[in-house]
Amino acid sequence: EIVLTQSPGTLSLSPGERATLSCRASQTGNSNHLAWYQQKPGQAPRLLIYDASRRATGIPDRFSGSGSGTDFTLTISRLEPEDFAVYYCQQYGRALPLFGGGTKVEIK
Amino acid sequence: EVQLVESGGGLVQPGGSLRLSCAASGFTFSSYSMNWVRQAPGKGLEWVSYIDSSSSSIYYADSVKGRFTISRDNAKNSLYLQMNSLRAEDTAVYYCARNRLAMYWGQGTLVTVSS
Repeated sequence: EIVLTQSPGTLSLSPGERATLSCRASQTGNSNHLAWYQQKPGQAPRLLIYDASRRATGIPDRFSGSGSGTDFTLTISRLEPEDFAVYYCQQYGRALPLFGGGTKVEIK
Repeated sequence: EVQLVESGGGLVQPGGSLRLSCAASGFTFSSYSMNWVRQAPGKGLEWVSYIDSSSSSIYYADSVKGRFTISRDNAKNSLYLQMNSLRAEDTAVYYCARNRLAMYWGQGTLVTVSS
């Protein structure tokens, strides 16, 4: 059974700083079918990145995704106040989609 | 505009049943697979169930297999989740989402299982 492990659990940064979030799969699945979502309190998740590196419609270019195989990264180049939230990775290329445990990006 | 609106959540006793609905609009519902995803209070996202556009492929998370049943009515643009033998650990906000790669989500409906 594939497990998606996100690290770190919490990232404490200041606005304007760069955020680097990791998502590691326990085994190789469909390596490009990796997505990232942002979730703010009381809201549904919002799709940011799909196919590991493609930005969803309307997503600012400060968000970028990279990686393949078992290691994936979401980078936020310069944190804006509205970027402080929880981020989830997801493998969606399998019969049973799977989410990682999430990384909370909080204001330092 | 794509809209997904869940309903049917509430308080139910352990062992009880509940039926969630998701009303879809703004797109050709019959052309898309649909999913239920849940989130326990203060916890992460957990995918619950998947149904393809014609109801020919259905999958469940192990945690709900044998207790939950997903279905859809394409004529009514609606998705359903019948939840039986509910447990305290099923307490969560339940979201419907379009496709496994979920661009569109509903606002969620809260299910609380407690005596």
